[in-house]
Amino acid sequence: KAGVTQTPRYLIKTRGQQVTLSCSPISGHRSVSWYQQTPGQGLQFLFEYFSETQRNKGNFPGRFSGRQFSNSRSEMNVSTLELGDSALYLCASSLVAGDQETQYFGPGTRLLVL
Amino acid sequence: AQSVTQLDSHVSVSEGTPVLLRCNYSSSYSPSLFWYVQHPNKGLQLLLKYTSAATLVKGINGFEAEFKKSETSFHLTKPSAHMSDAAEYFCVVSLNTGFQKLVFGTGTRLLVSP
Repeated sequence: KAGVTQTPRYLIKTRGQQVTLSCSPISGHRSVSWYQQTPGQGLQFLFEYFSETQRNKGNFPGRFSGRQFSNSRSEMNVSTLELGDSALYLCASSLVAGDQETQYFGPGTRLLVL
Repeated sequence: AQSVTQLDSHVSVSEGTPVLLRCNYSSSYSPSLFWYVQHPNKGLQLLLKYTSAATLVKGINGFEAEFKKSETSFHLTKPSAHMSDAAEYFCVVSLNTGFQKLVFGTGTRLLVSP
């Protein structure tokens, strides 16, 4: 079974632009979560989607948004990019939503904001 | 609130010697605990998971961890380090709120010398 895939793998943007990242979960998985990883803040939870609904959101500004499609694929969007948004963005999927469910991570999208 | 503390930011071992990566957790509930590994420029890979079925959890690549409620610890061990074990290791707790939100420790970088 193919793992979680994320596209693109690398991205360079300038301040003020917006960006859309894509995540395809493992086949059959219906829950998708997003995390941001930076050297200063470590790994932080962004949001979780299940059945096209956002179930939970972390402490990030409204510039960070996401959505999930009927095939469970998910996108996250960051508008008005800031230098501090430079990070590795990781997507994780699990079979269903639940706190004991194992999340499987993709390779990440590395975003550099100049 | 749930949290995890990884007691060492760096651990250095020689190939063939035992590995011990320490993690303490704080949780109001019976927690779900995980160890993930991240190799350079890669996503996160699940090593093992504790969800109250057994206190000694065996994972992949010879790793195991023991849940000790009295010490609120979930240390990761391996009898004999291999060069390929060099990576960053994250101790993770899942918030038992029904929502899929992982809280990550700050990570321990394992260095393995020949």
